[in-house]
Amino acid sequence: KQEVTQIPAALSVPEGENLVLNCSFTDSAIYNLQWFRQDPGKGLTSLLLIQSSQREQTSGRLNASLDKSSGRSTLYIAASQPGDSATYLCVRRDSNYQLIWGAGTKLIIKP
Amino acid sequence: DTGVSQDPRHKITKRGQNVTFRCDPISEHNRLYWYRQTLGQGPEFLTYFQNEAQLEKSRLLSDRFSAERPKGSFSTLEIQRTEQGDSAMYLCASSSSTLRTLDHNEQFFGPGTRLTVL
Repeated sequence: KQEVTQIPAALSVPEGENLVLNCSFTDSAIYNLQWFRQDPGKGLTSLLLIQSSQREQTSGRLNASLDKSSGRSTLYIAASQPGDSATYLCVRRDSNYQLIWGAGTKLIIKP
Repeated sequence: DTGVSQDPRHKITKRGQNVTFRCDPISEHNRLYWYRQTLGQGPEFLTYFQNEAQLEKSRLLSDRFSAERPKGSFSTLEIQRTEQGDSAMYLCASSSSTLRTLDHNEQFFGPGTRLTVL
């Protein structure tokens, strides 16, 4: 069974800290991996998309890495801000349309 | 606003009633997806359309669920004889496609419709 696991399920850190969110998946035959944030009542917002041929993507304070051999992806958030508080979801896409989602990490940044 | 929109944002209904949700995708996107998300879980795929054709349905989509995209633009998701287990957030997403049938580009999500079945 193909699975995506996100640990921890919840994380609370003080403002300004750098942090890493983890995503692990079975089966290295992925097409791409994507990180989303989900805010209550606002649906899903795409943050970073890493193709299977890439190792990382960066956008502002966010950096996502992909290691297919170990089945892991990380989302690094630098200098965290209260506005970063949200649930962060990792999703892998296979060579067909199928998206397999993690359950998310709920992040709280304390002012 | 040129993003994906969904209506209504919230729906409360009694068990046994029928409900219908609407999704308006980004106008130039030819693919439209429906997902269901329960509390604490990631979204689960339900079905997707390419233009007006429904190309795939998940086994999660029971006979009580039906989706349409009659003109290849907006889509509706209907749930008949709702059950308490249908309570969830229903998410719609859209994407564009290339000439390769299997090439699904980045999906853009709407805000969702939260369904509560009493």
